[in-house]
Amino acid sequence: EVQLVESGGGLVQPGGSLRLSCAASGFTVSSNYMNWVRQAPGKGLEWVSIIFTSGSTYYVDSVKGRFTISRDNSKNTLYLQMNSLRSEDTAVYYCARSRDRLYGMDVWGRGTTVTVSS
Amino acid sequence: ETVLTQSPGTLSLSPGERATLSCRASESVGSRYFAWYQQKPGQAPRLLIYGASSRATGIPDRFIGSGSGTDFTLTISRLEPEDFAVYYCQQYDSSPFTFGPGTKVDIK
Repeated sequence: EVQLVESGGGLVQPGGSLRLSCAASGFTVSSNYMNWVRQAPGKGLEWVSIIFTSGSTYYVDSVKGRFTISRDNSKNTLYLQMNSLRSEDTAVYYCARSRDRLYGMDVWGRGTTVTVSS
Repeated sequence: ETVLTQSPGTLSLSPGERATLSCRASESVGSRYFAWYQQKPGQAPRLLIYGASSRATGIPDRFIGSGSGTDFTLTISRLEPEDFAVYYCQQYDSSPFTFGPGTKVDIK
């Protein structure tokens, strides 16, 4: 079964760090375009970052320099390292797969909640 | 950054009616890089349409995507009870791969 399972969310103080993980099963992370998308409480979807099959990475401006997307091929896992966290980063974070550059995000995890608060 | 604007914000319809959702982009988007998603409360989004008009695997043919350039449309030909949800458009032509603010389709 094709599946994504996120973990690593929690409560963190402003300025703190968290690393989110997204374990994939049923497909190979490195052969797909992998995304992080977040949703603040009661708000819409916001695309955060993507890693291409080539390893190229892209970010929304609000997280550039603070977040880093990466993957571990041996563990078939996607990561999002989040540093210098702000209250506005509070959201449910989803990882999602795009099977290729032309396809939308067809497989999603259930999400992990990040709360940034003192 | 390509800004997507969706209209209307809320669409109140009855089962069996036709729903027409609009998404307008602030600059031209390659139609191969345009998608629609459905999200229900407490659930992750679900891909409906990619490439502006291609249905994702398992999506019923009552969901129809169209458009190009800056204007895109999602039509639900006859609303089923399970179609009442929030719908988002997304462009993945140029980074950041922005979403629209969403259109809520609720029961009249």
